[in-house]
Amino acid sequence: RKEVEQDPGPFNVPEGATVAFNCTYSNSASQSFFWYRQDCRKEPKLLMSVYSSGNEDGRFTAQLNRASQYISLLIRDSKLSDSATYLCVVNQDTGNQFYFGTGTSLTVIP
Amino acid sequence: DGGITQSPKYLFRKEGQNVTLSCEQNLNHDAMYWYRQDPGQGLRLIYYSQIVNDFQKGDIAEGYSVSREKKESFPLTVTSAQKNPTAFYLCASSMGLNSYNEQFFGPGTRLTVL
Repeated sequence: RKEVEQDPGPFNVPEGATVAFNCTYSNSASQSFFWYRQDCRKEPKLLMSVYSSGNEDGRFTAQLNRASQYISLLIRDSKLSDSATYLCVVNQDTGNQFYFGTGTSLTVIP
Repeated sequence: DGGITQSPKYLFRKEGQNVTLSCEQNLNHDAMYWYRQDPGQGLRLIYYSQIVNDFQKGDIAEGYSVSREKKESFPLTVTSAQKNPTAFYLCASSMGLNSYNEQFFGPGTRLTVL
């Protein structure tokens, strides 16, 4: 079983739509959680950390459900510039290794 | 500007040759990592280092070697023993042992074996 699993998509949504991604992780001892954004042929960049109480940054909301071992990312009022691949990342704090999902592809259509 | 640099951006190698990919950071981060990314796959960890002069194998270390002689530098050598080296190689760093510290990535090196 993979450490981190994501629906690869693709998600094709119109501008202004709300879209949500989920990510599940296998190790209940996981300590920290992140969402990264990766544009085509570029490096991943941190979008937001995910805190236990959930957190919001503008149009983006991240939530953590430890009981069900998943994290989510909600994007409201989608913009064309949101088109990218979104990576779910989990750190288990043993050896400080980060585990990456394969990413979910989002295309926002005019 | 603080950040992570990787060079070269593109690298072509003939079969049987060793090549070394450079990774430098001026963020004063203790931990550094090397990943490879193949189309349709997530990032896979090759090696990581939490402190100078120490490093650990990741999930796919075979055919690769690293060194960590300086805090700022973590070069990766792709040896001829690596069976399928064509990939996008990403270097990252984080502040250190605290798992709540996020990783920052360099721009990557695209290696193609001819």
